[in-house]
Amino acid sequence: QVQLVESGGGVVQPGRSLRLSCAASGFAFSSYAIHWVRQAPGKGLEWVAHISNVGTNRYYADSVKGRFTISRDNSKNTLSLQMNSLRAEDTAVYYCARVGWFGPSKYFDYWGQGTLVTVSS
Amino acid sequence: DIQMTQSPSSLSASVGDRVTITCRASQTISSYLNWYQQKPGKAPKLLIYAASNLKGGVPSRFSGSGSGTDFTLTISSLQPEDFATYYCQQSYSTPYTFGQGTKLEIK
Repeated sequence: QVQLVESGGGVVQPGRSLRLSCAASGFAFSSYAIHWVRQAPGKGLEWVAHISNVGTNRYYADSVKGRFTISRDNSKNTLSLQMNSLRAEDTAVYYCARVGWFGPSKYFDYWGQGTLVTVSS
Repeated sequence: DIQMTQSPSSLSASVGDRVTITCRASQTISSYLNWYQQKPGKAPKLLIYAASNLKGGVPSRFSGSGSGTDFTLTISSLQPEDFATYYCQQSYSTPYTFGQGTKLEIK
């Protein structure tokens, strides 16, 4: 079955870095685009970043552009999110989500369980 | 960026009620609209994609409609397990923005 498992969250001081990972299994990883979505405590869902299936196209939310880098290793079925210059407002549960499609329509059909990042001194 | 606005932000209803949640996009998005359900402490789950297509395994009491800028999610007869927060999302253009969520609570 399709599984996405995030790891790497934790408590980090403002200005420091953290690297999140998302391990995929149960599907042809290299055939799917993957996104990162985050959710601050008690808040709604915020799209963060997107990488195409072979990694050639990457997009970022304005709130993280220049600080976060999304990457993937299709040989290891792994997605990463390198987060630099972290701010208190980056505190959130971070989810990776697989993109499914129906014709031209895209949607997030599978999500990981999330990993909590807390930015605090 | 395309803004997605849901209404209401919260809703109290009883088991067996028919409930409708609306989602409005700041510009036309054709039918590139998805609905997710999220329960506390859990990841969101896809309910409906492309405005009106039910994901496999989702109960038929859930339905979606709309195109252009206005969309609705309807639950025909609320069940206890349906009390959750619901989000719409547009996939017309990056960033794939979400609505602010509608929290469905037990009356």
